[in-house]
Amino acid sequence: EAQVTQNPRYLITVTGKKLTVTCSQNMNHEYMSWYRQDPGLGLRQIYYSMNVEVTDKGDVPEGYKVSRKEKRNFPLILESPSPNQTSLYFCASSFLDPSYNEQFFGPGTRLTVL
Amino acid sequence: DAKTTQPNSMESNEEEPVHLPCNHSTISGTDYIHWYRQLPSQGPEYVIHGLTSNVNNRMASLAIAEDRKSSTLILHRATLRDAAVYYCILSNNYGQNFVFGPGTRLSVLP
Repeated sequence: EAQVTQNPRYLITVTGKKLTVTCSQNMNHEYMSWYRQDPGLGLRQIYYSMNVEVTDKGDVPEGYKVSRKEKRNFPLILESPSPNQTSLYFCASSFLDPSYNEQFFGPGTRLTVL
Repeated sequence: DAKTTQPNSMESNEEEPVHLPCNHSTISGTDYIHWYRQLPSQGPEYVIHGLTSNVNNRMASLAIAEDRKSSTLILHRATLRDAAVYYCILSNNYGQNFVFGPGTRLSVLP
């Protein structure tokens, strides 16, 4: 089944404790992206990647890191989480071809930073 | 980035057609028009996209104005399951910096 998987789905952590949220897709998509969703602010893009070893900042990259060492994986790293990073996070992937670039979204990761 | 404007909310009766409008007056020639929806407690879900011509798929139809400055998502027979937030998004050739606006919250009444 074609899908985007995220782990963990739920995470409660404390300020300053490094964490990684994994994202994996099995559709051979070139493009992958991370979003956060907050009440009243909608979905905002954090980082995106157009291929292996190619990443770029979205609208709200501060406090986050990403890497794209393999085509299928795009982990989101919070080196020193803070309470303002409490949010619902979505990973997405798609082909780059504009005729086919339907984005597939993962189920979301709900992160709470105390 | 080219922006879109949509009504904050709309209401429809079950089994009736729904027309969700989107204005994008600053659209560029290479921007595709995408529609996604987000059901409660789920991630966004692709609905349809197009460039210049009207598009149909099993979920919906997309009507694009001749000048491309507006478009309309058409749900032919709304069901209760169609209650969601609908997002109209413009994307350039490489799909980068995909910007979601606040969208339109569609309520479907039984």
